[in-house]
Amino acid sequence: AQSVTQLGSHVSVSEGALVLLRCNYSSSVPPYLFWYVQYPNQGLQLLLKYTTGATLVKGINGFEAEFKKSETSFHLTKPSAHMSDAAEYFCAVSDGGGADGLTFGKGTHLIIQP
Amino acid sequence: DTGVSQDPRHKITKRGQNVTFRCDPISEHNRLYWYRQTLGQGPEFLTYFQNEAQLEKSRLLSDRFSAERPKGSFSTLEIQRTEQGDSAMYLCASTSPYQSEQYFGPGTRLTVT
Repeated sequence: AQSVTQLGSHVSVSEGALVLLRCNYSSSVPPYLFWYVQYPNQGLQLLLKYTTGATLVKGINGFEAEFKKSETSFHLTKPSAHMSDAAEYFCAVSDGGGADGLTFGKGTHLIIQP
Repeated sequence: DTGVSQDPRHKITKRGQNVTFRCDPISEHNRLYWYRQTLGQGPEFLTYFQNEAQLEKSRLLSDRFSAERPKGSFSTLEIQRTEQGDSAMYLCASTSPYQSEQYFGPGTRLTVT
């Protein structure tokens, strides 16, 4: 069974600083990997995904993530944080090519300091 | 496209009562998923449908939970004899055969008193 570990339940960065949110996964087959963002009292919005091909994927709002098979990681980065980035971020994995239910990490709350 | 919609957005019920939630997926999305999210946790998969067929159910889906998608369009999730532990956000998502990502609705927040 697949699993996702997100290191750091809370991450605090200054506005304009680099954002790095960590995600490690376990999967018995080549995984599909996703990052979602959740604002208070809202559903989840897809930031980016990795399926196959290029291991560096770019998403919305200036975020990107790199799939590293040897490290079983899919860390999310953004070069310069903005106040509007404050939210909950979830990493998720699918073993079934996206057709099955997703397995999510516990989430990382991103705090942006002015 | 209007996105995934869920109704109601909030539900407060007393322990022991039955509740039913509705999810309307994005039109022409044939797969529909239900998740439960408790405070401070990531969403946990409950069940999913391909058209009207329920293909997978999580161990989290106890006998008190039942989900339907009778015509392959909207879906309902019913919880019978609610317990305080059922208090959570219930999320619905949908996707098409040509996509790997799931699109989420705003959720229904259930509070059992």
